Amino acid sequence: GDSVTQMEGPVTLSEEAFLTINCTYTATGYPSLFWYVQYPGEGLQLLLKATKADDKGSNKGFEATYRKETTSFHLEKGSVQVSDSAVYFCALSLGGTYKYIFGTGTRLKVLA
Amino acid sequence: SQTIHQWPATLVQPVGSPLSLECTVEGTSNPNLYWYRQAAGRGLQLLFYSVGIGQISSEVPQNLSASRPQDRQFILSSKKLLLSDSGFYLCAWSHVTEAFFGQGTRLTVV
Repeated sequence: GDSVTQMEGPVTLSEEAFLTINCTYTATGYPSLFWYVQYPGEGLQLLLKATKADDKGSNKGFEATYRKETTSFHLEKGSVQVSDSAVYFCALSLGGTYKYIFGTGTRLKVLA
Repeated sequence: SQTIHQWPATLVQPVGSPLSLECTVEGTSNPNLYWYRQAAGRGLQLLFYSVGIGQISSEVPQNLSASRPQDRQFILSSKKLLLSDSGFYLCAWSHVTEAFFGQGTRLTVV
């Protein structure tokens, strides 16, 4: 079935370090791909998305490229800040099924 | 603009008690609606989704049920809570290729 696999956390980085959170997917069709962020005590917020192969989503310094050949959507940021500490979820949706499938989430902790 | 309201934010309930969580959406019509649960140390699990009034699909067998009495209202219920029902419950609605989430309800069953 359709699924999303994320790298295990937690990830602990120093401020200004480079961030990569890996995400791969399995889908029967052509999904849209998303990264959501959950700050402590809050719901999920959309961080970025890509709807077709080779699209690059970007927001707040974060980027992810939809790679169909490797079925991946890795999240990257060149220089993280303490305020980026949160849980990051990779997700896919297949429009015809109306369902969103999430990875298990990766907790990021950035130290000053 | 569209908004989603979910309440209460926090709830502590004894084992065996009933549950009712409500979610409403404003600013859109005929949304797809979802209930997700995030158990401690685990990812988001889709519990129910609905594509219209009275149309509910259950993703996993459990102690919970959902109803959609109005177009923009989605209710999560239980007749008797279990300890394993504790978690963070998120309501969401989707349009085309994006989902929007409520602030969540943290449920602790004691």
